[in-house]
Amino acid sequence: AQTVTQSQPEMSVQEAETVTLSCTYDTSESDYYLFWYKQPPSRQMILVIRQEAYKQQNATENRFSVNFQKAAKSFSLKISDSQLGDAAMYFCAYQSSNTGKLIFGQGTTLQVKP
Amino acid sequence: DTAVSQTPKYLVTQMGNDKSIKCEQNLGHDTMYWYKQDSKKFLKIMFSYNNKELIINETVPNRFSPKSPDKAHLNLHINSLELGDSAVYFCASSQAGLAGHLNTGELFFGEGSRLTVL
Repeated sequence: AQTVTQSQPEMSVQEAETVTLSCTYDTSESDYYLFWYKQPPSRQMILVIRQEAYKQQNATENRFSVNFQKAAKSFSLKISDSQLGDAAMYFCAYQSSNTGKLIFGQGTTLQVKP
Repeated sequence: DTAVSQTPKYLVTQMGNDKSIKCEQNLGHDTMYWYKQDSKKFLKIMFSYNNKELIINETVPNRFSPKSPDKAHLNLHINSLELGDSAVYFCASSQAGLAGHLNTGELFFGEGSRLTVL
């Protein structure tokens, strides 16, 4: 069975600085998808970035980028130029290409200090 | 125009009651899901339907019964509510991704329905 682990329950960053959130996963599949979702206090789940396992190039979305290390089964999220609105809970998620099931990590709460 | 909408947003009820949460998506997606987020914010899949057919049924008590009248709707009915059922329930939908894969791609989530069982 696939598992996703986020080892940082809480992280803090100064506004305008850069922060990296860690995520590791375990799977025997070779084809899958990885996501980072953001959940602000409003409770809405918002997609931040996605990565297809077959792509070697790391995904980038504006200030958000990932470091995808397939052999190490690691998928970290880097947030550059952090803004107050980035404060939220961030979930790493694995999606099986066989079932489509999305499996979430435990989440990391990010605090952004002004 | 909300893509995935759930009703009600909040639900407070007594133990032993039966309640339903409704979900509708207007994205034309084939697959819909129910996720449960517990008090520790842990998100776990409960069910998944693809074009009205049940494809994922995790270890969920029989008191929980999903119903999909059409591919745009997936409702969740819970019988004999227990204290441990208190949680936020999220509905989500997604569109099939690459050819040959059952379903891969971004999940679009509703705003969640907070259920409190007293």
